[in-house]
This record gives sequence, C-alpha cells and structure tokens, in this order.
Amino acid sequence: AQSVAQPEDQVNVAEGNPLTVKCTYSVSGNPYLFWYVQYPNRGLQFLLKYITGDNLVKGSYGFEAEFNKSQTSFHLKKPSALVSDSALYFCAVRSYNTDKLIFGTGTRLQVFP
Amino acid sequence: GAVVSQHPSRVICKSGTSVKIECRSLDFQATTMFWYRQFPKQSLMLMATSNEGSKATYEQGVEKDKFLINHASLTLSTLTVTSAHPEDSSFYICSARIAGGHTNEQFFGPGTRLTVL
Repeated sequence: AQSVAQPEDQVNVAEGNPLTVKCTYSVSGNPYLFWYVQYPNRGLQFLLKYITGDNLVKGSYGFEAEFNKSQTSFHLKKPSALVSDSALYFCAVRSYNTDKLIFGTGTRLQVFP
Repeated sequence: GAVVSQHPSRVICKSGTSVKIECRSLDFQATTMFWYRQFPKQSLMLMATSNEGSKATYEQGVEKDKFLINHASLTLSTLTVTSAHPEDSSFYICSARIAGGHTNEQFFGPGTRLTVL
C-alpha cells in the first residue's frame, strides 16, 4: 500500500535561515512525488514534483526537493526562508499505475522575523 | 493556465438539507476530477474519482448515496452532500487532471467550507 509520512507536525525557522520539511514514502514501483502548499482556507498550490530524471527538483518560490531512492525520502528545502513561506505543506505520492494521490499529514512551517 | 474553481467557497446549511458544490476547470478539459475532504488540522482524504461520462469511483468508507458525484462535462464535476448532518461539516477540495496531457499533475480548486448547523 502507498503511504507518506511527514514526521514533523511543525517546523520553526528564523527568516533568512535554510529550511527543511521532511517527507518519506512507501510505494510499489517507481514513485511520483509532489509537494503542495496550503494557505489558510485555501486549496492546495503546486510547488514541485519528481517523476524521473535529476534527483534534485527545483520548484516555485525558490523551493527545491531531493529525491533519495535509498532512503525513500523527498525532503523539501529552501536556502533562505521568508516570513511569507509560513503555511501548511503537504507531501504526496502517486504510484505509476494509479491515479490516486496519497497525502501526508502535513507540516506547518512557521518562519519568524 | 490550469485554473480550477469551486463554487460556493463557503456554505452554511441546516441539518437535513442537501448542498451542491461545483468544481470547474476554467482553461482546460479534465476527463478526471477528484474530490477530497479535509478535516481541521488533518490531511486530505480522497473521497472519490470522477470520470467524465461515467460513474464515480468511491474510496472505501465513503457513502456513494450520501455524496453524489456527477461529471457531466469535461469542465464540470459536482458533489452533492445529501441530507447533510453536522458531522459532514468539512473543507471539500476538488482537483482536476488535464485530458490527454502527459503530466501527472493534479490542479486543485480553492476549496469549499461546508458548515452544517
């Protein structure tokens, strides 16, 4: 069965510091991996995805994520956090042979000025 | 491009009434749309997969007679919560996939907050 784990409910970081939001996954076959961001009372906005190719994926708003097959991880990173990055972040996985996206429980990122 | 809208954005209804939520792909055609439910401070749970012109596929535990899904065109899917009760109060989010596209990406609507009194 497919699953996604986001081990941290909340991540706190000072503005200007690097940030990491962790995600690990379990899926049969090659995974399709996604990161989404959600602002209060809003739907999800797409940040980036890994389908194939380079393990380091660059996405919107300066975010990037690294696919690590041996560790089954897809951590989201940003070199320098902004207060406006404060939001709820979801990691999601989809197996190659299904339409369904399975979401992690979400990590709330709080960036302090 | 790839914008998905939902209407209404917020609805309050009395217990026992039915509520219809619309999901539209504004600038693309979507053969497949998905309906999710999100409880406060929780993740998105897939309720059903909606394919244009055919019956929706519901996830285990989701009552098909309570959550009626219609996907009558390539740009519109509707979710009707029938005989709504307070426990149906939630944030409902739809997403759409581009018809014939090579991308596996789903584009999400802004969500509809349903409050049942």
